Amino acid sequence: DQQVKQNSPSLSVQEGRISILNCDYTNSMFDYFLWYKKYPAEGPTFLISISSIKDKNEDGRFTVFLNKSAKHLSLHIVPSQPGDSAVYFCAANPEKLTFGTGTRLTIIP
Amino acid sequence: ETGVTQSPTHLIKTRGQQVTLRCSSQSGHNTVSWYQQALGQGPQFIFQYYREEENGRGNFPPRFSGLQFPNYSSELNVNALELDDSALYLCASSSMGRANSGANVLTFGAGSRLTVL
Repeated sequence: DQQVKQNSPSLSVQEGRISILNCDYTNSMFDYFLWYKKYPAEGPTFLISISSIKDKNEDGRFTVFLNKSAKHLSLHIVPSQPGDSAVYFCAANPEKLTFGTGTRLTIIP
Repeated sequence: ETGVTQSPTHLIKTRGQQVTLRCSSQSGHNTVSWYQQALGQGPQFIFQYYREEENGRGNFPPRFSGLQFPNYSSELNVNALELDDSALYLCASSSMGRANSGANVLTFGAGSRLTVL
């Protein structure tokens, strides 16, 4: 039972453009959502989070949007930079983090 | 501030053997969680330890067991290895205790890649 889904395994975006990564969830008990970024041979690193009582959270080039009625969240990166090329995981709380399968983002110079 | 360190980084075992993976948590963190990441999948929660006790467990059989030590470091033990146990095992630490609400921001190690032949 995949409670957190990332339906796009990969995404390629031109440098300087906006990258939009999507995530859907099924469990209405989730109250916090997080995005992690993973480079090869490294562990995932925390990027940004959002509480279920908000619909938007912004941190520099990164913005996460939450649509509770649709059980959907998205991560926007603008402008995209080559260093953003990585695998991005969506994750949800409470009690234990439930991760999606990840989206590999490639930024094309 | 030291991060999360895991050992060994890579290892190869055969079916039926036992393996122990080790993790040192980030300084200031008192909670350790273990995740299994199979190829092409997201990390799957195995269990969490807080104050040397198991504090939540995912859908993994009892042959997956763990320990947490007084210095908050941890071990993951897997008995009777199966081919499907081949995966990257990630350890993560945090400063959260039993009140597991809120943004549970975990700090991950680089992982131990286990191959079972």
